[in-house]
Amino acid sequence: EAGVAQSPRYKIIEKRQSVAFWCNPISGHATLYWYQQILGQGPKLLIQFQNNGVVDDSQLPKDRFSAERLKGVDSTLKIQPAKLEDSAVYLCASSLVASGNEQFFGPGTRLTVL
Amino acid sequence: GENVEQHPSTLSVQEGDSAVIKCTYSDSASNYFPWYKQELGKGPQLIIDIRSNVGEKKDQRIAVTLNKTAKHFSLHITETQPEDSAVYFCAAVIGGGDDGLTFGKGTHLIIQP
Repeated sequence: EAGVAQSPRYKIIEKRQSVAFWCNPISGHATLYWYQQILGQGPKLLIQFQNNGVVDDSQLPKDRFSAERLKGVDSTLKIQPAKLEDSAVYLCASSLVASGNEQFFGPGTRLTVL
Repeated sequence: GENVEQHPSTLSVQEGDSAVIKCTYSDSASNYFPWYKQELGKGPQLIIDIRSNVGEKKDQRIAVTLNKTAKHFSLHITETQPEDSAVYFCAAVIGGGDDGLTFGKGTHLIIQP
C-alpha cells in the first residue's frame, strides 16, 4: 500500500513570496489533515477535510493560509504572503474516517522563509 | 480545547535499559491516545495506541498505560536498542468527534551504546 505522498520535500523562499504544497493521501482515505510542525515542537493541526469539505480550520491563519481538496482526493496548502515565522515542516496525514482512527503521515515539506 | 503535556523533553538511557515517557491531557472527553515515533527527516509513524476502554496495551517491547481518572498515559519501551533513538510524540483526541490530534511537544530519546 502506497503511503501519503507530499511534494516538494524542501522549499526556500523569501518573505512576502507565495508557496504551495501538495499532498496525495492513501487511496480510499476520506479524511485529510494538514499539520504545521515548528522545530522542536509537536505537530499542530491547521485544517481537516472530510472528502472535499472542511471539518475544522479553526487554527488556520486565514489571512495568509488557504487550502483546498478538490474532488476529495489530492490537496494543496498555500501561503501568501509568507512570513519568517512560517518556517516549519508542513505535514499531511490521512485516515479512513475522522476522529481517532489511525492517521498516516507523509514525509512533510520543510519550508524555510528568509 | 485539548492540551497535552509531555515529559521529559530529553531522555538518555543505556542500551538494554527501559525508557518511560509520560503525558497528561486536559479534556476528560478524550478517548484515543496514539504514540508516534519521528526519525530525522521523516513524518511521524504510529507505534502504538490505546483507547479509553482499556488500561494497558502491549506490543512486543512497547507498552502504553492509561489512567483516565488522573488523565495521564505513558509509553514504556523495554530492552532499548540503538534503533529506538528518535523523537517520540504522544497525542490525544476525542474519538467520535471531529477534531484532529493534539500533540505533546515530544521527547528526544537517546540510546547510549
